[in-house]
Amino acid sequence: QQPVQSPQAVILREGEDAVINCSSSKALYSVHWYRQKHGEAPVFLMILLKGGEQKGHEKISASFNEKKQQSSLYLTASQLSYSGTYFCGTEFMYSGGGADGLTFGKGTHLIIQP
Amino acid sequence: SQTIHQWPATLVQPVGSPLSLECTVEGTSNPNLYWYRQAAGRGLQLLFYSVGIGQISSEVPQNLSASRPQDRQFILSSKKLLLSDSGFYLCARLLNTGELFFGEGSRLTVL
Repeated sequence: QQPVQSPQAVILREGEDAVINCSSSKALYSVHWYRQKHGEAPVFLMILLKGGEQKGHEKISASFNEKKQQSSLYLTASQLSYSGTYFCGTEFMYSGGGADGLTFGKGTHLIIQP
Repeated sequence: SQTIHQWPATLVQPVGSPLSLECTVEGTSNPNLYWYRQAAGRGLQLLFYSVGIGQISSEVPQNLSASRPQDRQFILSSKKLLLSDSGFYLCARLLNTGELFFGEGSRLTVL
């Protein structure tokens, strides 16, 4: 049931773009994206609901392909502050509303070099 | 305010000793609360969630237990710690927006 994230790690130069993917074998109600700095708690980035929407947050945006049960996080013109581990969290179709909690992927480590 | 207080922030415990981690939240009443564990370099594993006082759902069978004695208090416990219990324990609440808001975490090292 755990969503699969790819790639496991990415090393970029400042200003380069990155895409992080999250896929599920089960029908999804929503996908959440979080970023975690080393030793800190995860911080919420955005939620995408079923319906194939796309959202943006500064230079970070995401899409949700309901048919493929996949979500992608796009980081454009990456900044040093984007470094961290990105997690997708999924809600399955039978547990809409989030009350049952999210199932998280193993994370994607993003390193931005100057 | 949606502040989450977790205590203690760090602790080192010997194998076989008991454990009690406390999470208290501020803000709206009757929040949905969650305990997640993150082993070193690993993802976030949901351990327990609670939708109200005395209501606990367990996601993973293990030697941990949870309790919710008060509306804004969520406690994670163990009678006998194992080496594999080491990790970063995060308490979270569900906001009205659907976002999971995390506390600062408690880092447990079992020796």
